[in-house]
Amino acid sequence: EAQVTQNPRYLITVTGKKLTVTCSQNMNHEYMSWYRQDPGLGLRQIYYSMNVEVTDKGDVPEGYKVSRKEKRNFPLILESPSPNQTSLYFCASSRGTGGVQVVEKLFFGSGTQLSVL
Amino acid sequence: GESVGLHLPTLSVQEGDNSIINCAYSNSASDYFIWYKQESGKGPQFIIDIRSNMDKRQGQRVTVLLNKTVKHLSLQIAATQPGDSAVYFCAEKSQAGTALIFGKGTTLSVSS
Repeated sequence: EAQVTQNPRYLITVTGKKLTVTCSQNMNHEYMSWYRQDPGLGLRQIYYSMNVEVTDKGDVPEGYKVSRKEKRNFPLILESPSPNQTSLYFCASSRGTGGVQVVEKLFFGSGTQLSVL
Repeated sequence: GESVGLHLPTLSVQEGDNSIINCAYSNSASDYFIWYKQESGKGPQFIIDIRSNMDKRQGQRVTVLLNKTVKHLSLQIAATQPGDSAVYFCAEKSQAGTALIFGKGTTLSVSS
């Protein structure tokens, strides 16, 4: 089954304790991205990757890191989490065709609810 | 700047009615639009998309209408069912093509 898999689904941590949220897709998609979803603010892009070893900042990248060493995996790293990073996080992927059509139909994972105390 | 907005945060309909969810966008150069459905506890699911060279596109029980003159997008759901209850998001592709920019969402409630 074609899917984007995120882990964990729920995570409670404390301020400053490094954490990683994993994301994997089995559709051989070139493009991957992380979004956070907050009440009243909708979905906002954190980082994206157009291909292996190619990553770039989205609209809200502060406090986050990503890596894309393999095509299928795109982990989100919080080096020193803070309470304002409490949010619902979604990983997404898209076929990507390069140029101006990199992002179109995004496939989303089930989400990771993060609470930073 | 780029922004996508929805006219109403909530919409309540009776089972069997047709539902119309509206969305306004700001970037007149946008060439791609998409609708997602998000059920409680799940990630957004693709419903239907449309390119700017089209005015209308139909799927199974859903129709998307694009009015580029007034920068307006709508999603029509025919014969709405309780299983259609969810939050619906419209989104447009960013100018750089590197992101989808989402509206805030409309919560559709279907009562039987």
